[in-house]
Amino acid sequence: EVQLVESGGGLVQPGRSLKLSCVASGFTFSNYGMNWIRQAPGKGLEWVAYISSGSSYIYYAETVKGRFTISRDNAKNTLYLQMTSLRSEDTALYYCARHGGTSHYFDYWGQGVMVTVSS
Amino acid sequence: DIQMTQSPTSLAASVGESVTITCLASEDIYGSLVWYQQKPGKSPQLLIYGATILEDGIPSRFSGSGSDTQYSLKINSLQPEDFASYYCQNGLSTLFTFGSGTKLEIK
Repeated sequence: EVQLVESGGGLVQPGRSLKLSCVASGFTFSNYGMNWIRQAPGKGLEWVAYISSGSSYIYYAETVKGRFTISRDNAKNTLYLQMTSLRSEDTALYYCARHGGTSHYFDYWGQGVMVTVSS
Repeated sequence: DIQMTQSPTSLAASVGESVTITCLASEDIYGSLVWYQQKPGKSPQLLIYGATILEDGIPSRFSGSGSDTQYSLKINSLQPEDFASYYCQNGLSTLFTFGSGTKLEIK
């Protein structure tokens, strides 16, 4: 069974940093691209970042480019999102999601981890 | 960036009815359209990819259609568990934009 478990969220002040983790199990992690997707309270879904299976290709949404860094450790089956210069508008539930195929869809999602940016 | 315009924003229907949700891309996405369902307090679930391909385990009352810039999700014979929010997603470009969502409520 595919499982994605996020951690590392919490309350952080504007301008500070936070690092999220997502531990994967039930599939060969090193064979799949991975994503971070967020959802602000009561709002829709916003894709944040993608990393290919071997970390060769990385893409970011314009709203986080230059502030967030996606990375992965295939030996640890873990995906990361380093978030810096956090803003109130980054407040959201952050999901990690497995990239499903060349058609670019997300076939498995974690339960999400909440990040609240507030003074 | 490819923009995804989803309509309606909300929709009320009764059990047993059929509904259609539409998604318009700002440019041709060559059939690379994805649909998700999200129930309150839950993670999104993949329903359809490639505009028409039903994900394993998804009931056949769900179907997708469309091409170029215009796509639709149809749900036949609504069941109580279908009342949820639905999102489309651009699966073509490397900036994977979502539609703003459609909340399907019980009438």
